[in-house]
Amino acid sequence: QSALTQPRSVSGSPGQSVTISCTGTSSDVVNYNYVSWYQQHPGKAPKLMIYGVTKRPSGVPDRFSGSKSDNTASLTISGLQAEDEADYYCCSYAGSYTWVFGGGTKLTVL
Amino acid sequence: EVQLVESGGGLVQPGGSLRLSCAASGFTFSGSWMFWVRQAPGKGLVWVSRVNPDGTSTTYADSVKGRFTISRDNAKNTLYLQMNSLRAEDTALYYCARNREYGFDIWGQGTMVTVSS
Repeated sequence: QSALTQPRSVSGSPGQSVTISCTGTSSDVVNYNYVSWYQQHPGKAPKLMIYGVTKRPSGVPDRFSGSKSDNTASLTISGLQAEDEADYYCCSYAGSYTWVFGGGTKLTVL
Repeated sequence: EVQLVESGGGLVQPGGSLRLSCAASGFTFSGSWMFWVRQAPGKGLVWVSRVNPDGTSTTYADSVKGRFTISRDNAKNTLYLQMNSLRAEDTALYYCARNREYGFDIWGQGTMVTVSS
C-alpha cells in the first residue's frame, strides 16, 4: 500500500494548460482503470473531478480531463483559471478492495 | 440535500479509543459502498477503510488493521469507525465518503481526531 507518486507542485498562468502526473505500479494504476482525481481547496473537503481514468462527474468543467498510459495517470487542466488553484490528489483501486492515494500536488496559478 | 455529517472526534490519549459516526442523508445509503479517509494536518489523503452496502465485507489499510473496525447501521443511515489502541500517528481529520463507480463522489466535512498525552 505505497502511495502513488505525484509532483509536489506545478504552476501555470491563467489561460494556459497544466498536467499533473500520478505514477503507480502494476498493483494499482497499471492493472486497473479505476483512477480518480480530487481537488481540495484549503479547509474544504475534497471534490471528485475525474473517475474511471477519463470520466467527468456532472458539473465539472470540461477543462478538466484525465488519461492514463502504462503506470502513469494524468490530470490536465486547460484554460487555467484563478479558482483552479488548489491541491490535487489522484487515487487508484489497488485490488482486494483496497485503495491508494497520491501524495498530492499543489497547483499555483501565477 | 445529499450530505454526510461526521461526529465523534476529539482529544484522546495514546492507547485510548474513540468511535466516529457519519450520518448520511439525501441518497440511498443502504446501497452505497462507504469509506473512511483521513488527512493528517498539512498532509495528504490516506484511505483508511471500506465497507460494502450490507456491511458483510470490510477492508483496512495496513496501518490500522487490527485496531480499527468499520461498521454501518443501514436502518439509521449511519457509518461508524471504532478506533482502538490509538497512536500519535492516527492524529488526522477523518472524512467519510461514498464511493460510486470507483470515485469518491460524496464527502463529509470531516471530524478531527487528536491523539496526545
